[in-house]
Amino acid sequence: GDSVTQMEGPVTLSEEAFLTINCTYTATGYPSLFWYVQYPGEGLQLLLKATKADDKGSNKGFEATYRKETTSFHLEKGSVQVSDSAVYFCALSDRQGAQKLVFGQGTRLTINP
Amino acid sequence: EAGVAQSPRYKIIEKRQSVAFWCNPISGHATLYWYQQILGQGPKLLIQFQNNGVVDDSQLPKDRFSAERLKGVDSTLKIQPAKLEDSAVYLCASSYGLAGLNEQFFGPGTRLTVL
Repeated sequence: GDSVTQMEGPVTLSEEAFLTINCTYTATGYPSLFWYVQYPGEGLQLLLKATKADDKGSNKGFEATYRKETTSFHLEKGSVQVSDSAVYFCALSDRQGAQKLVFGQGTRLTINP
Repeated sequence: EAGVAQSPRYKIIEKRQSVAFWCNPISGHATLYWYQQILGQGPKLLIQFQNNGVVDDSQLPKDRFSAERLKGVDSTLKIQPAKLEDSAVYLCASSYGLAGLNEQFFGPGTRLTVL
């Protein structure tokens, strides 16, 4: 079945550092790809998405590019802030049938001032 | 606009007891999802409704879990009897359409502890 594999955490960085969280996927179809974020004490919320190959999703300074050839959707940010501390989930959804979301295991990010 | 509402926020029960969770999706959202999130893991879909019909329940342990969505709006998820391994956060989400192109909006979750 479809699956998502994320870079293992936790990840700890200093403020203004460059961030990459790796995500690769396995899918039989042609999925849409998502990054969700869970801030401390809050519910999951969509950070960005991409629905076709070479699409770049972006939001709040974060970016991820849909790479079909490497089946990847790595999350990047050029300069992280303390407020970016959260758990990040990569997910995919097939665009046929039930189109359910399949999540990775999550990566906990902590940014130190 | 109001978000996805869930209750209760926390529940502690003993094994073999029963428990029910309630979810009210965003108004107008046809698709409703229940997820189980075990500590340290990503959410796992239990059941997906489109209006009041089940689209996918392939990962729902049907011997103990049941869910319904009456009138295509609110939904309840029940566990009977609960096991220790059911300790998790139960998330409800809704979307306007199916997940492939539509954003899912998540509720705050219900944290279940089974003793």
